[in-house]
Amino acid sequence: AQTVTQSQPEMSVQEAETVTLSCTYDTSESDYYLFWYKQPPSRQMILVIRQEAYKQQNATENRFSVNFQKAAKSFSLKISDSQLGDAAMYFCAYILGNNDMRFGAGTRLTVKP
Amino acid sequence: NAGVTQTPKFQVLKTGQSMTLQCAQDMNHEYMSWYRQDPGMGLRLIHYSVGAGITDQGEVPNGYNVSRSTTEDFPLRLLSAAPSQTSVYFCASSYVASGSFTGELFFGEGSRLTVL
Repeated sequence: AQTVTQSQPEMSVQEAETVTLSCTYDTSESDYYLFWYKQPPSRQMILVIRQEAYKQQNATENRFSVNFQKAAKSFSLKISDSQLGDAAMYFCAYILGNNDMRFGAGTRLTVKP
Repeated sequence: NAGVTQTPKFQVLKTGQSMTLQCAQDMNHEYMSWYRQDPGMGLRLIHYSVGAGITDQGEVPNGYNVSRSTTEDFPLRLLSAAPSQTSVYFCASSYVASGSFTGELFFGEGSRLTVL
């Protein structure tokens, strides 16, 4: 079975500090996409960042960056200068060529003022 | 901007009843999908479609039917509701490139379904 594992059910960070959320995945494919999605209390999911597996350079979107280790099948999300609005559930996900997208169980991030 | 619209937002059913969750998008997306979200399990794909007239099963399709007669609409039907189908359901859509979608999903606000 191809799965996504988020080993940290909950994380907390002090406002303005940096936090890293972990994600590992299991696939036998060589070409795929990886994602981090954010689900705030409003429940609507929002794309945070996307990484294409064939690209060696780590993706960055403002305060959000990833550490993509293809050989280790690891895809962690780093949030710098954390803000109160970053508090949410964060889901790691990947998609295979057959349009099937798989999500991890999520990490609940709390930001302390 | 409407985006992805799901109705109803809340529904309570009795075991054995049937119902349809509606999903509509106004972004001309070819790809549409339904997920269920359960505590501790993240989102699981139920069914998806890459265009009108084309549907396929995801990870947990049993007990659910879908159809795609137009680009805009992708309803999810529960034929005979069971308590195990109590969940929050999300519809999501995306654009398609070269026959596959590249994962930037646009989600609806979710529908909370309770089956007694």
